[in-house]
Amino acid sequence: ELKVEQNPLFLSMQEGKNYTIYCNYSTTSDRLYWYRQDPGKSLESLFVLLSNGAVKQEGRLMASLDTKARLSTLHITAAVHDLSATYFCAVGNAGNMLTFGGGTRLMVKP
Amino acid sequence: SQTIHQWPATLVQPVGSPLSLECTVEGTSNPNLYWYRQAAGRGLQLLFYSVGIGQISSEVPQNLSASRPQDRQFILSSKKLLLSDSGFYLCAWYGGTGVLAKNIQYFGAGTRLSVL
Repeated sequence: ELKVEQNPLFLSMQEGKNYTIYCNYSTTSDRLYWYRQDPGKSLESLFVLLSNGAVKQEGRLMASLDTKARLSTLHITAAVHDLSATYFCAVGNAGNMLTFGGGTRLMVKP
Repeated sequence: SQTIHQWPATLVQPVGSPLSLECTVEGTSNPNLYWYRQAAGRGLQLLFYSVGIGQISSEVPQNLSASRPQDRQFILSSKKLLLSDSGFYLCAWYGGTGVLAKNIQYFGAGTRLSVL
């Protein structure tokens, strides 16, 4: 059974600081997703990582994938308040059924 | 461009009542379709997925069922709701046709269901 674990579950940061969210998964997969969810809203796709060593960046967010370690990271650079949200990683398998991590609730304080 | 519609956005139902949530996708053909549920403050759990008309697979045993009567329509149902069915239900699609369809699973706006 595929298990996906994120940590931390909750993160409170000051604006301007850097931090990393970690996503570990238990079995081999060829695709790793990061989503953002604002309170009461649906999920917004941030990144899709499809190969070992893949790195993608969008603004202050950068995601990477190490398939050998079964680890993905989401790095936040110089956080701003607008980044406050819950971030989910998800691992895709056959049929692209996604198994989600528990989410990381990020709060960026001024 | 591809879009996904879910309705209703919010629903309050008494225990024991039936349920029907609808999801439709536009701008693509033969997508994979999925129903997820998110309990309050939790991650998402896959409930059902479908690779084609009439083809439904269930990931967890539960009080719910799904149907796909048309290529781009996915319906989540229950004959009698339980308190534990409360949650945020999200429909998603993957694959199909079109440049944007590749490699990303897109989610609808969701239905917030409260069973009282």
